[in-house]
Amino acid sequence: KAGVTQTPRYLIKTRGQQVTLSCSPISGHRSVSWYQQTPGQGLQFLFEYFSETQRNKGNFPGRFSGRQFSNSRSEMNVSTLELGDSALYLCASSLVPNNEQFFGPGTRLTVL
Amino acid sequence: QKEVEQNSGPLSVPEGAIASLNCTYSDRGSQSFFWYRQYSGKSPELIMSIYSNGDKEDGRFTAQLNKASQYVSLLIRDSQPSDSATYLCAVRANNFNKFYFGSGTKLNVKP
Repeated sequence: KAGVTQTPRYLIKTRGQQVTLSCSPISGHRSVSWYQQTPGQGLQFLFEYFSETQRNKGNFPGRFSGRQFSNSRSEMNVSTLELGDSALYLCASSLVPNNEQFFGPGTRLTVL
Repeated sequence: QKEVEQNSGPLSVPEGAIASLNCTYSDRGSQSFFWYRQYSGKSPELIMSIYSNGDKEDGRFTAQLNKASQYVSLLIRDSQPSDSATYLCAVRANNFNKFYFGSGTKLNVKP
């Protein structure tokens, strides 16, 4: 069974731009969560989607948004990028919320 | 107070020894607990999940849960250099049902 896939794997943007990251969950998994990982803050929860609905949201500004499609694929968007948004963005999928989460390889975003 | 606390380490153990990794959590109503391993430059990989008090064994790994003490641990027997990684404790909190990760403990297994 194929794992979680994320695209792109690497991204370089400049301040003020916006970016869209994509995540395809494990086949059959309907819940997708997004995390930001930085050396200083560790793994921070962004949001969780299930059946195209956002179930939970972390403590991030409104510049961070996401959505989930009917095929369970998910995208997250960051608008008006700041230098501090440079991080590894990880997507994790699970069969349903509360189940074990399996992570994708991540998207490394660098904001210059 | 952080939702999940771990000693950042590094924890150094000789090859063949038992490595003991610990984690405490703040939400007493939490029901689901997970251990992930993360190699440098890679994404977290699920090692163990535990939902009820007591021990759960899987190969060289044993997860231990004590809900009364709000404490989760991971024991790695016969540690190998390939076990050298950062180990993340994760808790599905009862409060708003959110998933919280500890900052991780870096383990070094010396040959």
